[in-house]
Amino acid sequence: DTGVSQDPRHKITKRGQNVTFRCDPISEHNRLYWYRQTLGQGPEFLTYFQNEAQLEKSRLLSDRFSAERPKGSFSTLEIQRTEQGDSAMYLCASSLTGIYYEQYFGPGTRLTVT
Amino acid sequence: AQSVTQLGSHVSVSEGALVLLRCNYSSSVPPYLFWYVQYPNQGLQLLLKYTTGATLVKGINGFEAEFKKSETSFHLTKPSAHMSDAAEYFCAVSLRGNQGGKLIFGQGTELSVKP
Repeated sequence: DTGVSQDPRHKITKRGQNVTFRCDPISEHNRLYWYRQTLGQGPEFLTYFQNEAQLEKSRLLSDRFSAERPKGSFSTLEIQRTEQGDSAMYLCASSLTGIYYEQYFGPGTRLTVT
Repeated sequence: AQSVTQLGSHVSVSEGALVLLRCNYSSSVPPYLFWYVQYPNQGLQLLLKYTTGATLVKGINGFEAEFKKSETSFHLTKPSAHMSDAAEYFCAVSLRGNQGGKLIFGQGTELSVKP
């Protein structure tokens, strides 16, 4: 069990640039979640996939954000035209369906927009 | 709408003392309840969860929590704090049923342990 991995761990970008993050879930997990965590706050739900289908998106997920999980395995989260307010830790989690929704989290990608 | 309130953003205890971190939730039906721990620059690790059955739940590292429906609470306790317990702790809920299982987190409580 290699756990949930995320790449990169840190990303510094200039305002207006596009960034893409990758999440590799635990291999047998069919659900994948994205959360955002700002300093001093708890994680906030962004979106989740069951296999390749994106089933729910938070209102926090503006039009500049897009997430994909093309083959039901890894997922990407892209932020277009980054803003300073996008600076946060982006966490990915995965789970099996029906196991009381226990989610396993990756180490996160810390984004800094300058 | 569901929400989670953690009373106290910072809690400080002495090594060997009781740890009590408070969590109250708001939900129309009892949700699933979780406690996660986060060490600096790391992801979240599940400490324990309540889904059904016994209301006193034991987790890893000596932590336990009790679900009290009448008080809508799920407080986390540990009888004797250790220096390695210093971290951020998050209480979370998720809806029962086919709601996708998204977690709604409290704002977190930072635990400091003094020698």
